[in-house]
Amino acid sequence: SYVLTQPPSVSVAPGQTARITCAENNIGSKSVQWYQQKPGQAPVLVVYDHNDRPSGIPERFSGSDSGNTATLTISRAEAGDEADYYCQVWHSSSVVFGGGTKLTVL
Amino acid sequence: QVQVVESGGGVVQPGRSLRLSCAASGFSFSSYGMHWVRQAPGKGLEWVAVISYDGSNEYYAESVKGRFSISRDNSKNTLYLQMNSLRADDTAVYYCAKDRTGARNQFDYWGQGTLVTVSS
Repeated sequence: SYVLTQPPSVSVAPGQTARITCAENNIGSKSVQWYQQKPGQAPVLVVYDHNDRPSGIPERFSGSDSGNTATLTISRAEAGDEADYYCQVWHSSSVVFGGGTKLTVL
Repeated sequence: QVQVVESGGGVVQPGRSLRLSCAASGFSFSSYGMHWVRQAPGKGLEWVAVISYDGSNEYYAESVKGRFSISRDNSKNTLYLQMNSLRADDTAVYYCAKDRTGARNQFDYWGQGTLVTVSS
């Protein structure tokens, strides 16, 4: 089965850069999306097709990939970025989500 | 503006059925694939099913295949999820989500979800 592996948690100081990874064999060949979910809220798409942003998403959010790992980078982290983040791809007629990463800004 | 609003959740006994609805507005519903995604309490996101813009194609997660059925009524701008033979591990918030560009399997709008609790 296709499993997207994310670290359970990432911490970052305000103003610094946070990087959240999503690993699976050859993920770079797929279109990767990233979602942000704050407590009690629905997820929000923050990056699609590896490194495109929907309107309204700050440029501080960017995506990249290298072979077997996709990365969501959040520059100049703010307290409001604290949330769970999920990567997602389409694989073999199925949507696959990563297990999620809790980002703490402290 | 784009809106998707789920309804139909509630408490149901194991083995029983439930039908969820998702009312869409603010976009050309008949032009976009639509998905159901669920989230068990305290857990991550789990995709459930997708239906193509015209209803001609459907795909399901293995965990619900044969028990759940996704459908749509483009004349009513409404998406459905028929859930049969419900189990305790189907307990979750169920989200309806719009595909970003028809059939890219990317979710640009989500509803606020409807809670389904399977319990005796």
